[in-house]
Amino acid sequence: GAVVSQHPSRVICKSGTSVKIECRSLDFQATTMFWYRQFPKQSLMLMATSNEGSKATYEQGVEKDKFLINHASLTLSTLTVTSAHPEDSSFYICSAKPGQGADEQFFGPGTRLTVL
Amino acid sequence: DAKTTQPPSMDCAEGRAANLPCNHSTISGNEYVYWYRQIHSQGPQYIIHGLKNNETNEMASLIITEDRKSSTLILPHATLRDTAVYYCIVRVRNAGNMLTFGGGTRLMVKP
Repeated sequence: GAVVSQHPSRVICKSGTSVKIECRSLDFQATTMFWYRQFPKQSLMLMATSNEGSKATYEQGVEKDKFLINHASLTLSTLTVTSAHPEDSSFYICSAKPGQGADEQFFGPGTRLTVL
Repeated sequence: DAKTTQPPSMDCAEGRAANLPCNHSTISGNEYVYWYRQIHSQGPQYIIHGLKNNETNEMASLIITEDRKSSTLILPHATLRDTAVYYCIVRVRNAGNMLTFGGGTRLMVKP
């Protein structure tokens, strides 16, 4: 079946630093990838939709200059949390959608970010 | 996408059937019912989806009422590994849009 990986699975960083999270589709090409954020005991909230070769579409309230998304290839999207602060500590999850006509989304295992 | 309502939590005895309800009274004719689950500290996992007919796969069964305003996900023989948050989502298929997650139901399977 379709597999999506995320790296790293867990990261701890100091306040003010930037953190990059990678999302890879391992056995299929993903024209669209989605980035979600999940705070403790809450549901997943969509942050942005990333299409290969074009700029990401951000949800209302998500700062595009703080959460940089790059979908440079059909198998890789990256989320960079710039100048991270403790309130950015969360569980970040990506999902990937195969090409046109495919409806299924496959989720990565998530990345736990802790900002000290 | 139509809004869904699920109970916040449910318990189930191991080996028994777990029946998780979902109300979607404003569902449109072209919207499907999807179920995902999320085990603690993992990404969501697709379970099953359907339009109006009942569906069954190796994981679960999906029962959709005739008026499509509600559905039930059935795990026929729940195990401890089925403890998770279960999300019911209604959406248009092949729309290319994202999944909108509500609060879900936290299912606790107990020995």
